[in-house]
Amino acid sequence: GGIITQTPKFLIGQEGQKLTLKCQQNFNHDTMYWYRQDSGKGLRLIYYSITENDLQKGDLSEGYDASREKKSSFSLTVTSAQKNEMAVFLCASSIDGNYAEQFFGPGTRLTVL
Amino acid sequence: GDSVTQTEGLVTLTEGLPVMLNCTYQSTYSPFLFWYVQHLNEAPKLLLKSFTDNKRPEHQGFHATLHKSSSSFHLQKSSAQLSDSALYYCALSSVYAQGLTFGLGTRVSVFP
Repeated sequence: GGIITQTPKFLIGQEGQKLTLKCQQNFNHDTMYWYRQDSGKGLRLIYYSITENDLQKGDLSEGYDASREKKSSFSLTVTSAQKNEMAVFLCASSIDGNYAEQFFGPGTRLTVL
Repeated sequence: GDSVTQTEGLVTLTEGLPVMLNCTYQSTYSPFLFWYVQHLNEAPKLLLKSFTDNKRPEHQGFHATLHKSSSSFHLQKSSAQLSDSALYYCALSSVYAQGLTFGLGTRVSVFP
């Protein structure tokens, strides 16, 4: 088995601030994902990466950057936090990009004051 | 593009009663369908995945049948338990889109 860790667990930022969320997996999976979870809106794909140094935009990529320097890690940056924003950011990984089960991390809960 | 519809936002029921959560989808290509479950303050976990050969997947008493004719993958359990209280997501994966397309989720609350 493996595990996905996300840091920090809670992130509080100020409006306009650049904020970085980190994700590590030890499954040795090729593909990693960042989703945003809002109450009543399901999970929406922000960015994904099919291998080290690869980046692909999802439906919700505007306002975010991502980085995949190593196979095991995938970072997400909120480029300018929006006031009163609250959401949970979930990192996931899978052995490949199609049809495979995705394994999720516990999430980072973002609050912007 | 792909889409997944879950019609119920909240389902409340008494322990021991059957539960069915609706899931319908739209996709240009033959997709795989998934059910994920997320308990409070936990990560989403895979509950069920559709098979290519029309077998019915089952796990922890839950089962779902992929009906291509009606584009549905409803989740069912004959007798709900208190521990089934959670958020349930139906999701779709297709050959031309990376990542999963999720429905809005259905929150299930089971009471004694």
